Amino acid sequence: DQQVKQNSPSLSVQEGRISILNCDYTNSMFDYFLWYKKYPAEGPTFLISISSIKDKNEDGRFTVFLNKSAKHLSLHIVPSQPGDSAVYFCAAKESGTYKYIFGTGTRLKVLA
Amino acid sequence: NAGVTQTPKFQVLKTGQSMTLQCAQDMNHEYMSWYRQDPGMGLRLIHYSVGAGITDQGEVPNGYNVSRSTTEDFPLRLLSAAPSQTSVYFCASSPSSVTGSYGYTFGSGTRLTVV
Repeated sequence: DQQVKQNSPSLSVQEGRISILNCDYTNSMFDYFLWYKKYPAEGPTFLISISSIKDKNEDGRFTVFLNKSAKHLSLHIVPSQPGDSAVYFCAAKESGTYKYIFGTGTRLKVLA
Repeated sequence: NAGVTQTPKFQVLKTGQSMTLQCAQDMNHEYMSWYRQDPGMGLRLIHYSVGAGITDQGEVPNGYNVSRSTTEDFPLRLLSAAPSQTSVYFCASSPSSVTGSYGYTFGSGTRLTVV
């Protein structure tokens, strides 16, 4: 039973527009949520995180929103650039543990 | 500035063979973990360690052993390889900040094929 779900396997967006990647979770004990970006033949790289006590965190072109009542988080990329084309994973950490559970990933393609 | 180093990058094993995937980090991170990535399955946690001498199981530990004798190294052992263990394996490390917001540093992966 997947605790962290990314229901869209892929997403295509025009350069300069907004990319919105979504993630749903089921475990109310998660206290941190993170987004990672992965290029082919490389390891994932950390992008941005948010604590469960916040509803928004921003870092440059990247903003993560958390809706605890809906158990939903999203990553907004504005404006999207061709170099953002990659697979994006959301991950969640259960409070009191060191386990990070990952979603299945969404492949983003930014079209020039 | 090596970060997390995984060796080998590629490996082909025959069913029943054993091998060890190596992982080393030079950032003095206490927390290290192993993930496998399979198509449609995302990244699944195999084993993790919160410090030298301390390891624990993740989501998919069966068929794998780990030990952590030093802060730097966290090898993953396959005792008797099976085709179901064909995957890309990632090692990751993090400082032991309990806030959880720091995120992992991942290695570049080991692509393992079991025939």
